[in-house]
Amino acid sequence: EDQVTQSPEALRLQEGESSSLNCSYTVSGLRGLFWYRQDPGKGPEFLFTLYSAGEEKEKERLKATLTKKESFLHITAPKPEDSATYLCALGRGSQGNLIFGKGTKLSVKP
Amino acid sequence: NAGVTQTPKFRVLKTGQSMTLLCAQDMNHEYMYWYRQDPGMGLRLIHYSVGEGTTAKGEVPDGYNVSRLKKQNFLLGLESAAPSQTSVYFCASRESDNEQFFGPGTRLTVL
Repeated sequence: EDQVTQSPEALRLQEGESSSLNCSYTVSGLRGLFWYRQDPGKGPEFLFTLYSAGEEKEKERLKATLTKKESFLHITAPKPEDSATYLCALGRGSQGNLIFGKGTKLSVKP
Repeated sequence: NAGVTQTPKFRVLKTGQSMTLLCAQDMNHEYMYWYRQDPGMGLRLIHYSVGEGTTAKGEVPDGYNVSRLKKQNFLLGLESAAPSQTSVYFCASRESDNEQFFGPGTRLTVL
């Protein structure tokens, strides 16, 4: 059964304190590993797509990496505006539909 | 471009009432999706469409119906609302194997 598990559920950081969010998965046919950011009361906003093990992508203070079993979202020197819930999703099946993890709620304090 | 828009933003229904949620996208995307998001459950796929005139069931389709009469619009209907359908509903669209773009959501409460 295709499955996505994100950890931790919540993470509190001080401004400038780097850390990583984890997304572990099992899937029969991966059609992309997606990262989204969701602010309270808003829809998810696309960040990255990774397609193969070893692939990495960066955007400002965020860097996403992918192995055959998990993906990490590394946050370097976070700022309070990075506070949000980060969602991981697997693309799979003939239609490439997504299954989402439950998210990691990140809080960055000044 | 407005991207993906959803109407209404908020709605309160009584048990047994019906309503339709409208999703519109101006990106000419083939694929459209309806999700629900509940605390502790994550986003779950209700129904989806791979093109105008097509619909298919997702993970949690019971109690919902959909229609895709025009390429840019995807409607989600609740024929007889139940308290278990209290949730935040998100619409999304995509083209080919690219990322999905999400709307701002509709917060629905069923009393």
